[in-house]
Amino acid sequence: GDSVTQMEGPVTLSEEAFLTINCTYTATGYPSLFWYVQYPGEGLQLLLKATKADDKGSNKGFEATYRKETTSFHLEKGSVQVSDSAVYFCALAAGSNYKLTFGKGTLLTVNP
Amino acid sequence: DVKVTQSSRYLVKRTGEKVFLECVQDMDHENMFWYRQDPGLGLRLIYFSYDVKMKEKGDIPEGYSVSREKKERFSLILESASTNQTSMYLCASSAPGTSGVETQYFGPGTRLLVL
Repeated sequence: GDSVTQMEGPVTLSEEAFLTINCTYTATGYPSLFWYVQYPGEGLQLLLKATKADDKGSNKGFEATYRKETTSFHLEKGSVQVSDSAVYFCALAAGSNYKLTFGKGTLLTVNP
Repeated sequence: DVKVTQSSRYLVKRTGEKVFLECVQDMDHENMFWYRQDPGLGLRLIYFSYDVKMKEKGDIPEGYSVSREKKERFSLILESASTNQTSMYLCASSAPGTSGVETQYFGPGTRLLVL
């Protein structure tokens, strides 16, 4: 079945550091890929998405590129802020697109 | 803005009680979902509904049921709560996007403790 594997956390960085959170997937067909973010005490929010190979999703300084050859969708940001501290979830939608399959989440803490 | 609201942020119930978790969305979305979120396990889909009175089992439906009598409301029911149902419950809704890809919009979650 479909699955998403993302790097284990927690990840702790200093402000202005470079961020990479790895995400790889297994799916039948051509899935759409998502990154969701969960700030403390809140539900999940869509951060960015990509619907086909080589697409780049971007939002709030975060980027991720859909790499079909490596089945990856790594999240990057050039300079993190304290306000980026949150849990980040990689997810895919395949087939019917009704359902999302999530990774286990990566907790990011950014220190001033 | 899309708004998904959940009836409670925190609930404490006793083993064996019947528990109702309510979710309401205000964007006329066709699809609604219930997930549970547990540390180290991420989000797991319990049930979803793609139309009024329609429902489908997700990955972990055991011990749960759902009701969707109106398009905007999707209820999760724990028929007889057990301690292993202590968790964070997240509701989401979606509608087909212009590219055929649906974005799911999440509520703030209900943290349920079963004693």
